[in-house]
Amino acid sequence: AQTVTQSQPEMSVQEAETVTLSCTYDTSENNYYLFWYKQPPSRQMILVIRQEAYKQQNATENRFSVNFQKAAKSFSLKISDSQLGDTAMYFCAFMKRTNAGKSTFGDGTTLTVKP
Amino acid sequence: EAGVAQSPRYKIIEKRQSVAFWCNPISGHATLYWYQQILGQGPKLLIQFQNNGVVDDSQLPKDRFSAERLKGVDSTLKIQPAKLEDSAVYLCASSRAGMTHSGNTIYFGEGSWLTVV
Repeated sequence: AQTVTQSQPEMSVQEAETVTLSCTYDTSENNYYLFWYKQPPSRQMILVIRQEAYKQQNATENRFSVNFQKAAKSFSLKISDSQLGDTAMYFCAFMKRTNAGKSTFGDGTTLTVKP
Repeated sequence: EAGVAQSPRYKIIEKRQSVAFWCNPISGHATLYWYQQILGQGPKLLIQFQNNGVVDDSQLPKDRFSAERLKGVDSTLKIQPAKLEDSAVYLCASSRAGMTHSGNTIYFGEGSWLTVV
């Protein structure tokens, strides 16, 4: 069974600064995907960024980038130039790379961007 | 393209009553998920369908929860009888089957908020 751990329940950052959210996972699988999702108060989960485990290059999406360390089973999210609209809960998720991969989520990190 | 549709958005029921939630996934998505998200926690997978077959229901409390996806498109999640601890947001999500680059991204609906009193 897979587990996903987000050790930072809450974080805050000043607007325009950079913040890093941590995520570790445990699995015996070799092929999988990792995701970061954003959940604003409306509760709709929105995909921020995804990483395929077989790719060594870290994924980037505009101000969002990840540091994927496969051997350490670590998958952190870096948000650069933080904006007030980045305030939300962020969830790290794991999905097996099979035809119908099961997904597992961490318990989330609440990020507050301060003006 | 249209997103994942869920209804109702909000429901308040008394304990021991029953409730049903409906979900229509994104067109063409073979995989459908129901998650339960209790306040302050991450989503927990209740059941996963591949077309109209169940892939994983290991965390579904089968004595009170049931779900079906008869025609491989929309799905219904039912709770009967409800308990206080069932108060949560029930998230439906879908993804394409297969191992293409975008195939395994999960798209979520807005959720159905359940309060059991």
